[in-house]
Amino acid sequence: KQEVTQIPAALSVPEGENLVLNCSFTDSAIYNLQWFRQDPGKGLTSLLLIQSSQREQTSGRLNASLDKSSGRSTLYIAASQPGDSATYLCAVIGRGNNRKLIWGLGTSLGVNP
Amino acid sequence: DVKVTQSSRYLVKRTGEKVFLECVQDMDHENMFWYRQDPGLGLRLIYFSYDVKMKEKGDIPEGYSVSREKKERFSLILESASTNQTSMYLCASSLWNPDTQYFGPGTRLTVL
Repeated sequence: KQEVTQIPAALSVPEGENLVLNCSFTDSAIYNLQWFRQDPGKGLTSLLLIQSSQREQTSGRLNASLDKSSGRSTLYIAASQPGDSATYLCAVIGRGNNRKLIWGLGTSLGVNP
Repeated sequence: DVKVTQSSRYLVKRTGEKVFLECVQDMDHENMFWYRQDPGLGLRLIYFSYDVKMKEKGDIPEGYSVSREKKERFSLILESASTNQTSMYLCASSLWNPDTQYFGPGTRLTVL
């Protein structure tokens, strides 16, 4: 059974720092992996989607990598800003599991001015 | 831009009431999803629909039903609300499955 883990559960950094959020999954047979952002009390916003054949995706200051063999993905945020404060969730879709997203519990990020 | 809207941001209901949560998307997406989100449990899929009048159970369908009479609208129904259904409910849609899912703002439901 696929399980997705995100460590740490919470992170606090000063503004301007580069940071890495981690996501690990137990079954490497995935279709894709997605990173989402959630602001307090609100819905989710899709940030990046990495297909299983890809190694990384970039969008602005965000870069997500995927290493299927080790069951890991990282979300790199460059030059963090207070507006980056939010919860970041990763989710995977496994091959042959009726295409449901399997979710991590998220990392709550605070960027202090 | 894809827009997914949910009928209410906050809702308070009493135990035993029938509750309707509505979700509308404006991008002609085939697939629509209902999740609930609880602290420490994360997002859990309740039901999803891959076409009009088609539905499939998710991980926690008990106590819920859904309706999709039109492509753009997906309703979640709590037949007899209970206190353990107090939660944040999130609707999402996607063009294909699997594909990027676009989420609504969520409905915070409290059952007293």
